[in-house]
Amino acid sequence: KAGVTQTPRYLIKTRGQQVTLSCSPISGHRSVSWYQQTPGQGLQFLFEYFSETQRNKGNFPGRFSGRQFSNSRSEMNVSTLELGDSALYLCASSTEQGGNSPLHFGNGTRLTVT
Amino acid sequence: KNEVEQSPQNLTAQEGEFITINCSYSVGISALHWLQQHPGGGIVSLFMLSSGKKKHGRLIATINIQEKHSSLHITASHPRDSAVYICAVRGLSTDKLIFGTGTRLQVFP
Repeated sequence: KAGVTQTPRYLIKTRGQQVTLSCSPISGHRSVSWYQQTPGQGLQFLFEYFSETQRNKGNFPGRFSGRQFSNSRSEMNVSTLELGDSALYLCASSTEQGGNSPLHFGNGTRLTVT
Repeated sequence: KNEVEQSPQNLTAQEGEFITINCSYSVGISALHWLQQHPGGGIVSLFMLSSGKKKHGRLIATINIQEKHSSLHITASHPRDSAVYICAVRGLSTDKLIFGTGTRLQVFP
């Protein structure tokens, strides 16, 4: 079975631009969650989707948004990029929503904002 | 004070040593995860616990719900165990994952 695939692996953007990151979950997994990892703040929860519905959201500004498609693939979007958005963005998939099943992580997208 | 605290922050060991990493949390939880992150960023889920003890190969994870504490043990450590180990809890009221700051482990031959 293929693992969780995140694209692109690396991305360089300029302040003020927007960016879209993609996550393809393991086949059969309907839950996708997103996380931001920075040296200063560590890992932080962004949002979680299950069956195309956002079921939970972390404490991030509205510039951070996401969605999930009918095939469970998910995208997250960051608008009006700031230098502080430079981070490793990770997604994880699981079979069930909430904390009821193990998480399978992708390798992440490293975003650099200049 | 962080809701999830890990200790130690850094750990150095000789190959073959028994290693313990601790995680304490202050919120009610529905599950606790132990994660391993190698240089380059990829994260592997090692265990998901809601009670008791789990074992996988040389790795053992325990949790004490009453004391709000979990431990990850590595027996017969090996250089390939060198990584950052992260504890994460899913809050019972928020249903969100809260992460510890991680323990950086280096195992030397």
